[in-house]
Amino acid sequence: GAVVSQHPSWVICKSGTSVKIECRSLDFQATTMFWYRQFPKQSLMLMATSNEGSKATYEQGVEKDKFLINHASLTLSTLTVTSAHPEDSSFYICSAAGYEQYFGPGTRLTVT
Amino acid sequence: AQKITQTQPGMFVQEKEAVTLDCTYDTSDPSYGLFWYKQPSSGEMIFLIYQGSYDQQNATEGRYSLNFQKARKSANLVISASQLGDSAMYFCAMREGDDYKLSFGAGTTVTVRA
Repeated sequence: GAVVSQHPSWVICKSGTSVKIECRSLDFQATTMFWYRQFPKQSLMLMATSNEGSKATYEQGVEKDKFLINHASLTLSTLTVTSAHPEDSSFYICSAAGYEQYFGPGTRLTVT
Repeated sequence: AQKITQTQPGMFVQEKEAVTLDCTYDTSDPSYGLFWYKQPSSGEMIFLIYQGSYDQQNATEGRYSLNFQKARKSANLVISASQLGDSAMYFCAMREGDDYKLSFGAGTTVTVRA
């Protein structure tokens, strides 16, 4: 099956700093990628749809200036959490659209 | 309105027994797809099984089968011969029309007891 990677798998950062998470489709090209956020024991919440070569589409309630998404190539999308705060601590998962959605392994972000 | 409803927050099942996870959905699009994913404690989302709205037969993948009742808008997952490694959170999800976007249910945590 198709493989999607995420980097880093976990990151700890200080409040006020920015952190970038990469999502790569390793063996296929994905014009569309998705970014999700998940709190413990809860479901995945779609944050935004990332389209190669165009602006991301954010879900209602998601701050686009705080969660910057860039889909610069057909195999890479990045999510930058700007001026992170402890409440941004969460598990972030990306997926790439092919025949189905192929999920990355997730990134655990802890903001101290 | 919720597009995907999973009413069982948690379930316990004895090893080697079967377990059914409930999922109901709501859509007006005649073309849709239903997915089940497993999420162990590591966090990775593992695709289990898929059912298309036009599929005539219920989907099966090894020990996983999907009980698709279109008129009732339900797509229950049956795991047969449960194993300890089946302990995880399970999510039902739906894709509508040509949209790749998935709507997820709240999830069901399954704990398999030895």
